[in-house]
Amino acid sequence: DAKTTQPTSMDCAEGRAANLPCNHSTISGNEYVYWYRQIHSQGPQYIIHGLKNNETNEMASLIITEDRKSSTLILPHATLRDTAVYYCIVRAVGTASKLTFGTGTRLQVTL
Amino acid sequence: EAQVTQNPRYLITVTGKKLTVTCSQNMNHEYMSWYRQDPGLGLRQIYYSMNVEVTDKGDVPEGYKVSRKEKRNFPLILESPSPNQTSLYFCASSPWGLAGGSYNEQFFGPGTRLTVL
Repeated sequence: DAKTTQPTSMDCAEGRAANLPCNHSTISGNEYVYWYRQIHSQGPQYIIHGLKNNETNEMASLIITEDRKSSTLILPHATLRDTAVYYCIVRAVGTASKLTFGTGTRLQVTL
Repeated sequence: EAQVTQNPRYLITVTGKKLTVTCSQNMNHEYMSWYRQDPGLGLRQIYYSMNVEVTDKGDVPEGYKVSRKEKRNFPLILESPSPNQTSLYFCASSPWGLAGGSYNEQFFGPGTRLTVL
């Protein structure tokens, strides 16, 4: 699986959009970008994934650059409940299903 | 409600006393996995199972055993726990399995915090 680089921490005001970047410059053609989050010692929670097109679901949007070397997870209206560690994971289709979590970005949403 | 459950949620035990952490999922998923999470080391996979009676080692299997006799259950067994197995443990399941998969997500349980004295 390709290596990912994320900022260690970010702050966001409640109600504003939180934009979490991820660099995956060595991504290969069959690898997807996944985002998970972990709220203080709870089990990680899947958020969204994508291959090359932008994706949106009820939780977030995922913007992947045209060269696929980086992506941004967008939480459009962050709330205090979105305070968590966010993990960007790149993995290939059809390989063993282990998820390799890096250190992630600690997002602090404040009033 | 679709979910992965783990029991117990918290456990304090002593070195050498065998214990089992149960994991159950109600989503008919083929794939199940155990992870441990330690400060500074992130989540590491212990064992995984692609289907009933099919299990394999992850990155840190030493000191652990698993079994997969039925699709919904995947217990983690510590035959002789040691203090270095003090950790936060997560079970996860996914529709991935022998049929392969593309972009399915993994569902994680709430975690079991284990302390071995």
